[in-house]
Amino acid sequence: QSVLTQPRSVSGSPGQSVTITCTGTSSDVGGYSYVSWYQQHPGKAPKLMISDVSKRPPGVPDRFSGSRSGNTASLTISGLQAEDEADYYCCSYAGSYTFWVFGGGTKVTVL
Amino acid sequence: EVQLVESGGGLVQPGGSLRLSCAASGFTFSSYGMCWVRQAPGKGLEWVSVISGSGDSTFYADSVKGRFTISRDASKNTLYLQMHSLRAEDTAVYYCAKVFYISGKYTRPDDWGQGTLVTVSS
Repeated sequence: QSVLTQPRSVSGSPGQSVTITCTGTSSDVGGYSYVSWYQQHPGKAPKLMISDVSKRPPGVPDRFSGSRSGNTASLTISGLQAEDEADYYCCSYAGSYTFWVFGGGTKVTVL
Repeated sequence: EVQLVESGGGLVQPGGSLRLSCAASGFTFSSYGMCWVRQAPGKGLEWVSVISGSGDSTFYADSVKGRFTISRDASKNTLYLQMHSLRAEDTAVYYCAKVFYISGKYTRPDDWGQGTLVTVSS
């Protein structure tokens, strides 16, 4: 059982927006501005899409955005495209010895 | 371009040992913390171990403490994970990753390798 809670799946049609939530506690998501999101296509390595709650690394399309309210972080994909179909994992820093906690992953399906 | 290439995975019996390697290139290896993160089949991600850039500090998840040892060789730009007393629940794809460090904290895995599969089964 993962520490952070994500919906198992979300779906949307091309061009639509989808939002994935990631709920933790004040010891992780709500306590540090170090929430990151990873995209993982089947059989591939995770790829960093969002860091520090809302920062996009170079090369990540601006249709990906991140935010946080209290103990819940969110990843929004606007203008959904076929290549966005993948699993998405949230991750939060949780302290010097716990290091990182992850969500269980959300499968995004493009209808 | 950062490249991380893992190797050393395979089938091992319960109680056995295995050593994973991760060859790094495209960045100054000794300047970055590194980590191992694993993913059991069909499951989510779990951090396993972190090592500082100098190799002086190491950290382990409770699930592997006392059984796994992380190390690095700066002369070979290579990260290692020595695994002993392996259990069925250690079966997973093991990824090495470069770690982002800021304000005294290892805040996230950044660049990931493609992973190597470890299967613990009789």
